[in-house]
Amino acid sequence: SAVISQKPSRDICQRGTSLTIQCQVDSQVTMMFWYRQQPGQSLTLIATANQGSEATYESGFVIDKFPISRPNLTFSTLTVSNMSPEDSSIYLCSVDDSTDTQYFGPGTRLTVL
Amino acid sequence: AQSVTQPDIHITVSEGASLELRCNYSYGATPYLFWYVQSPGQGLQLLLKYFSGDTLVQGIKGFEAEFKRSQSSFNLRKPSVHWSDAAEYFCAVGFTGGGNKLTFGTGTQLKVEL
Repeated sequence: SAVISQKPSRDICQRGTSLTIQCQVDSQVTMMFWYRQQPGQSLTLIATANQGSEATYESGFVIDKFPISRPNLTFSTLTVSNMSPEDSSIYLCSVDDSTDTQYFGPGTRLTVL
Repeated sequence: AQSVTQPDIHITVSEGASLELRCNYSYGATPYLFWYVQSPGQGLQLLLKYFSGDTLVQGIKGFEAEFKRSQSSFNLRKPSVHWSDAAEYFCAVGFTGGGNKLTFGTGTQLKVEL
């Protein structure tokens, strides 16, 4: 399975600022996904990151708040913009290895003060 | 839309005892089914998956799961639990034509008593 890394692993940020999370995969993958896991909750899909085109956002998530880049087949970034304490969550990226199976990165634990 | 239910929020078992975690899904056709485990402060690790074929699937760490179409269930089992199995377990469902999206259950927190 693909090896996925995320940076940063954790961060504490001030209200109103933005944080960009990086996701790097050790092999080329077509599909990458970004999830949010709020404290004590399950995972919610934010968007599908498409290489060469705009990300596809799920209901309740918008590009202005969560802009995503996918410059190539091994890398993606998620920015959490104009943060508030409600954005405190674990953000996870995942990849589909072309067998309809998703593998997850270690996550980025974000705390907004 | 598909949905996933994990009825047990918390489960406590003694080390060496057997384990069964329940998962029920709602979807018209045969879905893709997954179990993931999340240890504290970690990402999700895939334990096993079911797409088609043999309804009893084997996974890593001694886990297995059985797909029962009549009950819309995909329960996870382990015959003898180890203390290191303490973690949160998520059942997830995807489906053909769903754009590879997964819907996750709310998770079951497993505590293992020594």
